[in-house]
Amino acid sequence: AQKITQTQPGMFVQEKEAVTLDCTYDTSDQSYGLFWYKQPSSGEMIFLIYQGSYDEQNATEGRYSLNFQKARKSANLVISASQLGDSAMYFCAMREVYNAGNMLTFGGGTRLMVKP
Amino acid sequence: EAQVTQNPRYLITVTGKKLTVTCSQNMNHEYMSWYRQDPGLGLRQIYYSMNVEVTDKGDVPEGYKVSRKEKRNFPLILESPSPNQTSLYFCASRLSSGTANEKLFFGSGTQLSVL
Repeated sequence: AQKITQTQPGMFVQEKEAVTLDCTYDTSDQSYGLFWYKQPSSGEMIFLIYQGSYDEQNATEGRYSLNFQKARKSANLVISASQLGDSAMYFCAMREVYNAGNMLTFGGGTRLMVKP
Repeated sequence: EAQVTQNPRYLITVTGKKLTVTCSQNMNHEYMSWYRQDPGLGLRQIYYSMNVEVTDKGDVPEGYKVSRKEKRNFPLILESPSPNQTSLYFCASRLSSGTANEKLFFGSGTQLSVL
């Protein structure tokens, strides 16, 4: 079974609008972390935001926020006021502290395209 | 500048010709790992190392070798590359393997084509 599922292979958003990128995860571990990374066309992996399984508040980093719904096992990334530079691949990832050898497991990614 | 450096950036080779992709980090990180990225599959872990002389298999280790003789270096070795190893490879590191919130620092990637 997939541990991280990103159901949107590609999305369009109008510049200056908000967009939500979906991520669901599967784990039996009580202690885990959820990450979002951005990969622009240049190829590098850029860390965006982190949410811990015990964090009670949703994480925010500038225009990025993470909509964490633990019971539903979802960790959606919300980008507010989209900019042209937000066009990129976005990956959701999970790290289970006790399971899976401490690996960071990635979803298949969502390609976001921001329209001017 | 704190960074993970991997070389080469691009590599074209032929089936069966041994190659090494180097990875070095200057942040004194204990944990290092290699990933390959393929369309629709995201990044999949090949091998990881929790410290010097400690390595373990990830999800897709077949056809790869690694070594961790020094803390800063973690080379990826393909003894006999095959076309299905054509992929984008990333080296990554983090401070330790202890807590969930430590982010991975990634190298800039190596695009490998095996003909």
